[in-house]
Amino acid sequence: SQQGEEDPQALSIQEGENATMNCSYKTSINNLQWYRQNSGRGLVHLILIRSNEREKHSGRLRVTLDTSKKSSSLLITASRAADTASYFCATDGPLDMRFGAGTRLTVKP
Amino acid sequence: GAGVSQSPSNKVTEKGKDVELRCDPISGHTALYWYRQSLGQGLEFLIYFQGNSAPDKSGLPSDRFSAERTGGSVSTLTIQRTQQEDSAVYLCASSPDRGGNEQFFGPGTRLTVL
Repeated sequence: SQQGEEDPQALSIQEGENATMNCSYKTSINNLQWYRQNSGRGLVHLILIRSNEREKHSGRLRVTLDTSKKSSSLLITASRAADTASYFCATDGPLDMRFGAGTRLTVKP
Repeated sequence: GAGVSQSPSNKVTEKGKDVELRCDPISGHTALYWYRQSLGQGLEFLIYFQGNSAPDKSGLPSDRFSAERTGGSVSTLTIQRTQQEDSAVYLCASSPDRGGNEQFFGPGTRLTVL
């Protein structure tokens, strides 16, 4: 069964705007990862945040983790049309790796 | 270096036939995962191999599904007596170990059951 749940299911923005996606999970975790998927095929790892971290940056990506609320957010700043993809969170805990249903991001040029 | 490879990339079969899907993980990766993704949906965990330990089969949807990993490397996912609802993209991923590290995904096999 899925562990993480992304919100919103779909997001459409203009190029240059920021995109924020959220992930909620149910059980305790060791870490949380965000992945990106283009064209319904393989996923690409974006960033990993450990349970003892609160915020992490990688380029235009910013991830936060609130273990008390069992939630994480992924912020993509200054979005580009090439950021159009599905974004998934995955949690590593007692259920091993579990992925959410994803957020479909569309960035309009 | 070479990434995770899967074969075939596409498979069309008739209902009731058996299919085998293959995954070649990155050399040296001890953890291997199989997922299923239906159109427009998230990833559904199927099975997880870690080294020589007994696999975690908790995600297999029915006894028609089975998987093997020979020699700690190549894995085969077998679906017997395929049904139309088995149509999906089957993704394989490998990881250096179990410790929640990044998973490296293959391109997937798109299975269509007619």
